[in-house]
Amino acid sequence: LAKTTQPISMDSYEGQEVNITCSHNNIATNDYITWYQQFPSQGPRFIIQGYKTKVTNEVASLFIPADRKSSTLSLPRVSLSDTAVYYCLVGVLTGGGNKLTFGTGTQLKVEL
Amino acid sequence: DAGITQSPRHKVTETGTPVTLRCHQTENHRYMYWYRQDPGHGLRLIHYSYGVKDTDKGEVSDGYSVSRSKTEDFLLTLESATSSQTSVYFCATGEVGSKETQYFGPGTRLLVL
Repeated sequence: LAKTTQPISMDSYEGQEVNITCSHNNIATNDYITWYQQFPSQGPRFIIQGYKTKVTNEVASLFIPADRKSSTLSLPRVSLSDTAVYYCLVGVLTGGGNKLTFGTGTQLKVEL
Repeated sequence: DAGITQSPRHKVTETGTPVTLRCHQTENHRYMYWYRQDPGHGLRLIHYSYGVKDTDKGEVSDGYSVSRSKTEDFLLTLESATSSQTSVYFCATGEVGSKETQYFGPGTRLLVL
């Protein structure tokens, strides 16, 4: 299983760019990298997913280096509403859930 | 958001009693998962299902069993609840071809006294 490591917490201010890095040294060839956001008392919600290089959507960007041993979630111009826990997930659905590993999450706190 | 509901949303029970949590989906997703979430541990997979009557163990399966008799329902049973099973339980669904994405339910908060 691809074990993931993330910072426990990060602090930022409104309007700043936030980059959260996830390490996954033993990622497998078929593994995808997916990031989820979780607010208190809610289930995690999909943010972005990638396999290699860079992916961008309306919410975030995901940077994956060539060796794929890490990934960086980039949140542009954060606001107070981006305060949440962010999880990095590495694996594939094919073959079952035993190939999916969540990190312990990064608590992002955004202040004025 | 995918149509995933969990019941009950909150439950208090006593040690040694059986407890069943239900997850219901309207998306016709093939894969369904049960996770528990505890402070300091993030999300840990308990059991998962890859089809009707097809289930397998996850990372923390001891003390839990599951059943899936229909595509839309995935049940998690604590045969004899213990205080260590006090947690928030999340159900998720997924479908191969949907970019390996999981869709999570709102969670069930379980307290075992």
